[in-house]
Amino acid sequence: DAKTTQPTSMDCAEGRAANLPCNHSTISGNEYVYWYRQIHSQGPQYIIHGLKNNETNEMASLIITEDRKSSTLILPHATLRDTAVYYCIVSSTDSWGKLQFGAGTQVVVTP
Amino acid sequence: NAGVTQTPKFRVLKTGQSMTLLCAQDMNHEYMYWYRQDPGMGLRLIHYSVGEGTTAKGEVPDGYNVSRLKKQNFLLGLESAAPSQTSVYFCASGDSHSGANVLTFGAGSRLTVL
Repeated sequence: DAKTTQPTSMDCAEGRAANLPCNHSTISGNEYVYWYRQIHSQGPQYIIHGLKNNETNEMASLIITEDRKSSTLILPHATLRDTAVYYCIVSSTDSWGKLQFGAGTQVVVTP
Repeated sequence: NAGVTQTPKFRVLKTGQSMTLLCAQDMNHEYMYWYRQDPGMGLRLIHYSVGEGTTAKGEVPDGYNVSRLKKQNFLLGLESAAPSQTSVYFCASGDSHSGANVLTFGAGSRLTVL
């Protein structure tokens, strides 16, 4: 699977949008981009995924560049409960759902 | 609907002891996974299963065995625990829909080997 590059950490003010970048320059055509987050000591939580098109759900929006080499997760109105480690993962359709986790981005939302 | 349930949540072992972690899911998912997470690191895949009666090795399988006798259960065994296996273990389950596979994770099992 292609690997991803994310910033180590970022801060965000409560109520503002949080934009989390992810580079996946070697992504293949059959690989999805997934975002998960892990709140301290809990199991990872699925946020959103996409293949080519931008996606939005009740938690976040996912913007994928046209060349698919990078993406941005947008948390529209960050709250203190959004403080977590965010993982950007690419995984192919024929990998039996296996996810390869990197170090992720530690997001701290401040009042 | 409990999702993915892991037992036990905490366990302390002495070096050389054996134990089994149980993962149960009630979503009728075909795929199940065991990951471990060491402090300050991302999750690493130990073993996984793509269906009842099947198992396969992940990234860090040494020292662990697994079994999937029933679709809803995935067991992770440590035959002879070592201090290097002190970690938090996460189970997950998922299914493929239109090529994508969204995983649901359990709350984790914290294992300490003395």
